[in-house]
Amino acid sequence: QQQVKQSPQSLIVQKGGIPIINCAYENTAFDYFPWYQQFPGKGPALLIAIRPDVSEKKEGRFTISFNKSAKQFSLHIMDSQPGDSATYFCAASIQGNKLVFGAGTILRVKS
Amino acid sequence: DAGITQSPRHKVTETGTPVTLRCHQTENHRYMYWYRQDPGHGLRLIHYSYGVKDTDKGEVSDGYSVSRSKTEDFLLTLESATSSQTSVYFCAISEVGYEQYFGPGTRLTVT
Repeated sequence: QQQVKQSPQSLIVQKGGIPIINCAYENTAFDYFPWYQQFPGKGPALLIAIRPDVSEKKEGRFTISFNKSAKQFSLHIMDSQPGDSATYFCAASIQGNKLVFGAGTILRVKS
Repeated sequence: DAGITQSPRHKVTETGTPVTLRCHQTENHRYMYWYRQDPGHGLRLIHYSYGVKDTDKGEVSDGYSVSRSKTEDFLLTLESATSSQTSVYFCAISEVGYEQYFGPGTRLTVT
């Protein structure tokens, strides 16, 4: 059972565009929502994370938007670059442990 | 990779043989995790440890056991490997259970 549903599976944008990746969850006990970036042959790297008491968080070109009532959160990448081409995973957990991951989104940024 | 090493990095083994994967950290973090990554499933938690000799099951723990006799080492054992355990295995560490940092992974093929 996929507790965190991620979409789309893949995404192609032009350089400078704003790719948006969406995730939805069911368990209202989740209290921590991180995003990970993974390059081929590497382990996932923590990108940004949010708690449900805020609706938006920005770190550099990466922004998480969080909608508690809809049980959805999304990642926006501003001014995307070819170097952002990677697989992105959303995740959720209760008190940090036992992360539940989405299936991943393969992003390609065309130059 | 946040002071995490995994060994071996690649392994091919036959069905029915025991296999042990090792995760070693130099960060002195309390929490350690084992995940497996398969296409279409993202990452799924196998087991995790919240201290020396303290472990708990994750989402996909059947067929796996773990041990942690020292803070820096977390071992994952497949008692009798099956083809369904062919996967990429990632170790992660965390100081307080929220921000998890992943190792480089071990690619395991069971023939």
